Amino acid sequence: QSVLTQPPSVSAAPGQRVTISCSGSYSNIGNNYVSWYQQLPGTAPKLLIYDNNKRPSEIPDRFSGSKSGTSATLGIAGLQTGDEADYYCGSWDSSLNVAVFGGGTKLTVL
Amino acid sequence: QVHLQESGPGLLKPSETLSLTCTVSGYSISSGYYWGWIRQPPGKGLEWIGIIYPSKNTFYSPSLTSRLTISIDTSKNQFSLKLTSVTAADTALYYCARYSGAYNWFDPWGQGTLVTVSS
Repeated sequence: QSVLTQPPSVSAAPGQRVTISCSGSYSNIGNNYVSWYQQLPGTAPKLLIYDNNKRPSEIPDRFSGSKSGTSATLGIAGLQTGDEADYYCGSWDSSLNVAVFGGGTKLTVL
Repeated sequence: QVHLQESGPGLLKPSETLSLTCTVSGYSISSGYYWGWIRQPPGKGLEWIGIIYPSKNTFYSPSLTSRLTISIDTSKNQFSLKLTSVTAADTALYYCARYSGAYNWFDPWGQGTLVTVSS
């Protein structure tokens, strides 16, 4: 069982917006930065969001991140079929002194 | 551009020792950042294994610490993982990645190497 909790799956139609939640606790998300990763089928994870809400330069602004208290949210606007992937949140847990990941959310673009 | 590449045997027998090396190009690992290992069992999510700093300061997953050693060789621009007494539960895709430290992000990642433990 993962330290960070994500919904197993979400789905939406092309062009729509979807959000993926990541729930943690005071010792991880509550006091540390959150990152998000996209894992396309058969490929390595790729950094999508860092420092809660920043995007690497190559990531389109359709992807956004936010954090409030002990939860974080990834938003994807203008969904494309190429966005179908597994998405993971990550943070550091200051009590355990470990990096932690969510269990992953599979996005289906209908 | 920073590039990471994992290497090591793909098939092990139970009780053997897993040894993987990550070779970094495009960046001197002695310049900073942590360097880490993450694994992903087939069809499952990401599991953090551990990280190492050029000073050789390490952090390990509590569930693996008794079997795990992560080391770094700045002269070769490589860091390595050793996991002893492997079982089928250690079968996974193993990734190496650069870790930011306090900002908690992994980037970039290697392409991953599949390690299968089977008798």
